[in-house]
Order: sequence, then structure tokens, then C-alpha cells
Amino acid sequence: GESVGLHLPTLSVQEGDNSIINCAYSNSASDYFIWYKQESGKGPQFIIDIRSNMDKRQGQRVTVLLNKTVKHLSLQIAATQPGDSAVYFCAENSAGGTSYGKLTFGQGTILTVHP
Amino acid sequence: GAVVSQHPSRVICKSGTSVKIECRSLDFQATTMFWYRQFPKKSLMLMATSNEGSKATYEQGVEKDKFLINHASLTLSTLTVTSAHPEDSSFYICSAKRATLPGETQYFGPGTRLLVL
Repeated sequence: GESVGLHLPTLSVQEGDNSIINCAYSNSASDYFIWYKQESGKGPQFIIDIRSNMDKRQGQRVTVLLNKTVKHLSLQIAATQPGDSAVYFCAENSAGGTSYGKLTFGQGTILTVHP
Repeated sequence: GAVVSQHPSRVICKSGTSVKIECRSLDFQATTMFWYRQFPKKSLMLMATSNEGSKATYEQGVEKDKFLINHASLTLSTLTVTSAHPEDSSFYICSAKRATLPGETQYFGPGTRLLVL
């Protein structure tokens, strides 16, 4: 089956730096992508999403970039803070077939922000 | 808005007993809820899709008689782990999709940690 994966399993940054978390996906039929943040012992928290008809979307301190040509998704966090330390998952939503509406999660990237 | 709760947050049970986990959407109606399982330092694995008023759809490899799902209302879905065994110990997370707004965003509950002794 097709899957979503992450290039970097861990990322350590200094407080105030910008962070970039990458994700590769393989299902060309996916039309919607989401980034989630999961803190230890908690459920995933929605950060930002993007549809396949867009290349970039900005939120508060976060930006998601989508490159459909190479099937690559990234999450940029500006001025990273210690509270941003968590596991970040990308997820893709399948556009059709029996997988419609389901989310497939990537393996996750552990972000550690050092003060 | 878009708050999802789970109860209990933690549960310890003896092998062979059944455990029920509740998932509630507190401020919106959810026609579809999803149940995931997550092992330590691993990603979320979809177990089943729960639709209000109909039978749940299970992912390949998930035993429907082992993991009973009931979605009785637009705000409540339950997962019952029957005859639990130590290998069922895991972090169970539910999510819900809004019924009225477009888009496919899923909002997640805080998770339930199950330990089977």
C-alpha cells in the first residue's frame, strides 16, 4: 500500500531558530494534507492543513509547503520555542476509492528545542 | 471549538476482562469518528472508521469481534476491547470529523492508555 514517510526522525534546534520538518508522500491521489503536533501522552493537535490545489499556506508562526511534483510536504516553524518541542506528524487524506476520507500518518519527527 | 474528549484517560485491567472507551465530540456533531492505536514511539495506526447509525468499517488485520465499535449518536462513539490481553496494551486515540463544515480535518481526543496485566 502507499504510505507517507518522513525524511528526518529527529530535529534539534535552538530557541529562536526556524525549524523545517519534511515529509514525503507516495499517494498521488491524495488531495489534502495535515500537520499534527503530539506532545507526550496526549492526542495529536491540528496545526495546519493544505489542499492539493495550493503550494503554500501560512498560519501563525507556521507555514506548510506542498510540492506535488516531487510529492514533498514541509512544515516551517518560525522562531521556535521550547513549547514547540513535540512529535510532528504529517498526514494525507486519500481522494477516492476505498480509502476516501481516511488519514494515513507519517512516522513522525521528534522536535527538540533547546533554550 | 472542535473539542473531542475520551474517557477514561487511563485504565488498568486484568487479562480476560473487557474495557470500554468513550469518545465524545463536545461542541460539534460528528457523523464520522475514527479509532487509532499507537505504540510507544510509533505513528498512529487506523483501526476502524465509525459512522453514526451504521456498522463500523475495520482496517485489514483488525478483529471486529475483538474491538467492538458503537456509534450511537452524533457525539458519541465507543470502543470496547473484549477479552483483553497484555498485547492489547496500547494508547488508543479517537478522532472526529465535523458533520456540517466542509473539509476533511479530523480533531483528536486526548487518548486512552490501556494496560492489561
